[in-house]
Amino acid sequence: GENVEQHPSTLSVQEGDSAVIKCTYSDSASNYFPWYKQELGKGPQLIIDIRSNVGEKKDQRIAVTLNKTAKHFSLHITETQPEDSAVYFCAASIRGSARQLTFGSGTQLTVLP
Amino acid sequence: EAGVAQSPRYKIIEKRQSVAFWCNPISGHATLYWYQQILGQGPKLLIQFQNNGVVDDSQLPKDRFSAERLKGVDSTLKIQPAKLEDSAVYLCASRANTGGGYGYTFGSGTRLTVV
Repeated sequence: GENVEQHPSTLSVQEGDSAVIKCTYSDSASNYFPWYKQELGKGPQLIIDIRSNVGEKKDQRIAVTLNKTAKHFSLHITETQPEDSAVYFCAASIRGSARQLTFGSGTQLTVLP
Repeated sequence: EAGVAQSPRYKIIEKRQSVAFWCNPISGHATLYWYQQILGQGPKLLIQFQNNGVVDDSQLPKDRFSAERLKGVDSTLKIQPAKLEDSAVYLCASRANTGGGYGYTFGSGTRLTVV
């Protein structure tokens, strides 16, 4: 089955700085890579996703990059704000797996004012 | 559009007791998932439904966990008897099958504490 590793487990940045979270996956058949933001007491919320036929995707301050050869993908948040503080999860879905997601272990992002 | 509804939000039970969680997915979403999220970890899939049929329950501890989705809408997840290691947040998610959409919508979860 798929295995997703996520680093770092905690990340503190100053407001306005950039934050980068990295994930690696094991199964080359994975073709869909979403990122979720989870605030305290809430369920994960999809913030951006990328499919394997695309190398990069951007949505305002958030971008995701995918390197299929190296089997890793990254989340980039620019101009961070205090409301970006949350736990972020990467995930991967194997082609033909009925869209089941395997999640990383999460990154606690703290944006310091 | 209303989100995925889950209840209760919190539950505390003693080990060996039974407990049930309820999920109402987004209207029209054919696929429903139950995930278990242990503190400090990412969610792990327990079971997936397509309408009212089970697609995958290979990760469900069937000796104590059961789930059903009657009429292809609401779903319940039951644990009987509960163990200490079942303490976790149980997340329900749903997904539309049309339009090539991959994105899940998660509910807020039920936090279970087994003492």
